[in-house]
Amino acid sequence: GAVVSQHPSWVICKSGTSVKIECRSLDFQATTMFWYRQFPKQSLMLMATSNEGSKATYEQGVEKDKFLINHASLTLSTLTVTSAHPEDSSFYICSARDDGRAKNIQYFGAGTRLSVL
Amino acid sequence: DQQVKQNSPSLSVQEGRISILNCDYTNSMFDYFLWYKKYPAEGPTFLISISSIKDKNEDGRFTVFLNKSAKHLSLHIVPSQPGDSAVYFCAASGKQGAQKLVFGQGTRLTINP
Repeated sequence: GAVVSQHPSWVICKSGTSVKIECRSLDFQATTMFWYRQFPKQSLMLMATSNEGSKATYEQGVEKDKFLINHASLTLSTLTVTSAHPEDSSFYICSARDDGRAKNIQYFGAGTRLSVL
Repeated sequence: DQQVKQNSPSLSVQEGRISILNCDYTNSMFDYFLWYKKYPAEGPTFLISISSIKDKNEDGRFTVFLNKSAKHLSLHIVPSQPGDSAVYFCAASGKQGAQKLVFGQGTRLTINP
């Protein structure tokens, strides 16, 4: 149980284009999902907290107009990197909190490696 | 401001022996702690957690110890197996912060045959 699916796992795009990443909770409902970014050999940095049916809460320094988050249902959150540039190349990981389980545990997707040329 | 610290970037242990991974935190408002295991190019996998009302939690080969006065927790893996080779992250959350997790930098554990 508690499976989180993230798609795509790897994407290459041209500078200036937008990329959408999906995060789905497959066997549980998730009112809250989280989006992280990980640079090589570094820790996971929280970008934003995604809440179903309401606006996402962004961490300090994260541009909300660049990283658009939509959490339209209890099982799906999407992150859109708009007008991507090479410096946006990174490993993006989503997580979801199971509404029916211990509230502090987050279950993670497999991550998306974004390469912007 | 690194609120959760894993001071050892790497650890090498013989197969069958005990692996001990350490984690320190600075924020006294943290009341829940978790350990995750991560393979390259994959998302973290939840291993074990502990609430601040306990000082020990055990699940199979994994045991987490919490020393609140020292603001220190550790993960013990015994016996260590080759499949345990991965990066281990400790994370903390508190009543404030909407259950956000704050992660340490990770420790790369290598189990040698």
